[in-house]
Amino acid sequence: AQTVTQSQPEMSVQEAETVTLSCTYDTSESDYYLFWYKQPPSRQMILVIRQEAYKQQNATENRFSVNFQKAAKSFSLKISDSQLGDAAMYFCAYRSAQGGSEKLVFGKGTKLTVNP
Amino acid sequence: NAGVTQTPKFRILKIGQSMTLQCAQDMNHNYMYWYRQDPGMGLKLIYYSVGAGITDKGEVPNGYNVSRSTTEDFPLRLELAAPSQTSVYFCASSYSSGRGNTEAFFGQGTRLTVV
Repeated sequence: AQTVTQSQPEMSVQEAETVTLSCTYDTSESDYYLFWYKQPPSRQMILVIRQEAYKQQNATENRFSVNFQKAAKSFSLKISDSQLGDAAMYFCAYRSAQGGSEKLVFGKGTKLTVNP
Repeated sequence: NAGVTQTPKFRILKIGQSMTLQCAQDMNHNYMYWYRQDPGMGLKLIYYSVGAGITDKGEVPNGYNVSRSTTEDFPLRLELAAPSQTSVYFCASSYSSGRGNTEAFFGQGTRLTVV
């Protein structure tokens, strides 16, 4: 079974600075997807960014980028120019690309605080 | 755009009572999921469905039942509620065709308290 580990229960960053959230995963599969979801106090789960394992290029979405290291099974999220609205829980998630096994497995989350 | 709609948003149950959490999506997604989120924890999969008439257990299925009679609806049934089922429940859906896969879209969650 796949597992996702987020080793940082809490992180803080100054507004306008850069912060990196860590995520590692364990799988025997070669084809899969990785995601970062944001959960603000409203509880809504919002997709921040996704990465397909067969793509070597790291995904980017505006101020959000990932460092995907397939061999090391690492998938960190970098938030540049942090804003107060970035404060939230961030969850790393894994999904197999094998048809019929597309369960989304989550890490325990990292609580990000943005200080003004 | 409705997306994934969950009802109710909040509910308090007494021990031993039963209830159904409703989930509907209007995106014609084939996959639907139920997760629970306990304080300080990530989301754990309860049940999922790959299409109408097909359901399967996730990581924590005990105490729950589901059905998927239509593509749109995926209700979660709690029988004989217990305090251990106090949690926030999320329904999600996604579309998959062969290898291709889209992101999962989530409802806003149901906060359930069993007392």
